[in-house]
Amino acid sequence: QQQVKQSPQSLIVQKGGISIINCAYENTAFDYFPWYQQFPGKGPALLIAIRPDVSEKKEGRFTISFNKSAKQFSLHIMDSQPGDSATYFCAASRKETSGSRLTFGEGTQLTVNP
Amino acid sequence: KAGVTQTPRYLIKTRGQQVTLSCSPISGHRSVSWYQQTPGQGLQFLFEYFSETQRNKGNFPGRFSGRQFSNSRSEMNVSTLELGDSALYLCASSPRATGQETQYFGPGTRLLVL
Repeated sequence: QQQVKQSPQSLIVQKGGISIINCAYENTAFDYFPWYQQFPGKGPALLIAIRPDVSEKKEGRFTISFNKSAKQFSLHIMDSQPGDSATYFCAASRKETSGSRLTFGEGTQLTVNP
Repeated sequence: KAGVTQTPRYLIKTRGQQVTLSCSPISGHRSVSWYQQTPGQGLQFLFEYFSETQRNKGNFPGRFSGRQFSNSRSEMNVSTLELGDSALYLCASSPRATGQETQYFGPGTRLLVL
């Protein structure tokens, strides 16, 4: 029940297009859902995060949509740019007094063609 | 503030040896987590330390161990190295260990076991 499933594994989008990455989780105890962006040679960096009490969160060109009943959430990148080419990971964690632990999806390698 | 730093950045070891990796968290952060990243398994949680105590542990064999010092710096040790231990080892820090706050990742230590 700790898994987070992410799709697609890879995604190619033209500049200006919309990139959509989907994730699904099983553990209903998860209550924090961040997205991380990772460039080659770098560690993951937080992009945007959502809690299940909201259905959508937008920050600039990045939007998370959250469907609690379906246990799914997705990342939308509007007006995708070549600089967005990176690997994206969804993750989930739960509030617990014993510490914090991120369960990651498998990752999506996004390529934005100019 | 300086980010999370990890040393060394690259390491080559042979099977059967042991290795110690170091992580310095962001100043003021008391929680340090370690993750293993491989192409096949993705990002997997190793363990988390908070105020020098291990708060959470992933599903890794006992060859993987860690500790945290009073200044929040952390080390992880892998004994009796196996070929499958070749990976990028990432350290992440956060102010506390609530499970709902941003974890800031370092650039990682790339370990190659020959």
